[in-house]
Amino acid sequence: KNEVEQSPQNLTAQEGEFITINCSYSVGISALHWLQQHPGGGIVSLFMLSSGKKKHGRLIATINIQEKHSSLHITASHPRDSAVYICAVPGSGGSQGNLIFGKGTKLSVKP
Amino acid sequence: DTGVSQDPRHKITKRGQNVTFRCDPISEHNRLYWYRQTLGQGPEFLTYFQNEAQLEKSRLLSDRFSAERPKGSFSTLEIQRTEQGDSAMYLCASSLVEGSYGYTFGSGTRLTVV
Repeated sequence: KNEVEQSPQNLTAQEGEFITINCSYSVGISALHWLQQHPGGGIVSLFMLSSGKKKHGRLIATINIQEKHSSLHITASHPRDSAVYICAVPGSGGSQGNLIFGKGTKLSVKP
Repeated sequence: DTGVSQDPRHKITKRGQNVTFRCDPISEHNRLYWYRQTLGQGPEFLTYFQNEAQLEKSRLLSDRFSAERPKGSFSTLEIQRTEQGDSAMYLCASSLVEGSYGYTFGSGTRLTVV
């Protein structure tokens, strides 16, 4: 079974700071997901990546398959980025049948 | 089609009562997933369907839980004889086969058992 560890658990930043959230997993995977969850529960899929780097606006996600590690970066952070960021990987033998989620990183960006 | 819809958004029920939640996925999505999330934790997988077939169930899905997707479109999750430990956010997600294009999540149903 894949184990997913995220760090840090909580992160407070000042507006404009560069943010990095880390995710490590224990079993080789085909793809990794980064998700954003705002208060109230709704989850938004940010990235699905299997290698290298993806960028969307101020968000950048990288993955190192050999190291079993991924990072989510936020450039020029803004209070509206405050949310819980969750990393998720496939659960059953690498299939996409279900996802195993990390516990999330709670980000708070102060103005 | 505006995404994955879940109904109701909130449900408060007395212990021992039965509850049913509904999820309407994105219409083109073959796969539909149910997850449960408790406070401070990441979501945990419960079960998933490909079309109308329930392909996998977690051990978290006790005998009191049942999920259906009768026509391969919407799905229902029923909890019988609710317990206080069932209080959680129940999330639904959908994807094309194998999640190749990512997942779309609903806003969840928050269940409180009193």
